Amino acid sequence: AQTVTQSQPEMSVQEAETVTLSCTYDTSESDYYLFWYKQPPSRQMILVIRQEAYKQQNATENRFSVNFQKAAKSFSLKISDSQLGDAAMYFCAYRLPTSGTYKYIFGTGTRLKVLA
Amino acid sequence: DTGVSQNPRHKITKRGQNVTFRCDPISEHNRLYWYRQTLGQGPEFLTYFQNEAQLEKSRLLSDRFSAERPKGSFSTLEIQRTEQGDSAMYLCASSLLSRGPETQYFGPGTRLLVL
Repeated sequence: AQTVTQSQPEMSVQEAETVTLSCTYDTSESDYYLFWYKQPPSRQMILVIRQEAYKQQNATENRFSVNFQKAAKSFSLKISDSQLGDAAMYFCAYRLPTSGTYKYIFGTGTRLKVLA
Repeated sequence: DTGVSQNPRHKITKRGQNVTFRCDPISEHNRLYWYRQTLGQGPEFLTYFQNEAQLEKSRLLSDRFSAERPKGSFSTLEIQRTEQGDSAMYLCASSLLSRGPETQYFGPGTRLLVL
């Protein structure tokens, strides 16, 4: 069974500094999708970044980038130049390409605090 | 605002009562998901619709839970004979069927408290 593990319940970062959130997953599949979602306090969850497992190049979206290590089944999120608006819960998620299941599997989340 | 909307935003009910939640996805989105999120946990997948067809249901969705998406537009999630363990945030998300990993757009959720 596929699982997603986020081992850091909470992280803190100084404004303008860089922080890395960890995510590991377990799967026997070779093709899958990975995502990072952000859930600000009392606001809707939004997609931050996504990665297709067959792509070796790490995804980047402005200040957000990932370090995708397929062999290690690791998918960490790096936030550069942290801003107060980055404070939120961050969830790592996994999904297979449509091949009989549409299920997303989410981790338990990491709460990111940004210190002014 | 053309995002995903959910109603009601909050629901308090007594154990044993039935409740129904509604989700209005982004209009052109043909995929719709329901999730349950409890405190300190990530969203747990409940069910998935492609247009009006319910293509997948989680084992979490007991016989007391039913979801519909008539005409492939809005969706409803009904919980019958609610139990205290049903207290959670119920999230809806929609997306557009596409090649590759689609972007899910989440609604604000309906927070259910069963007394």
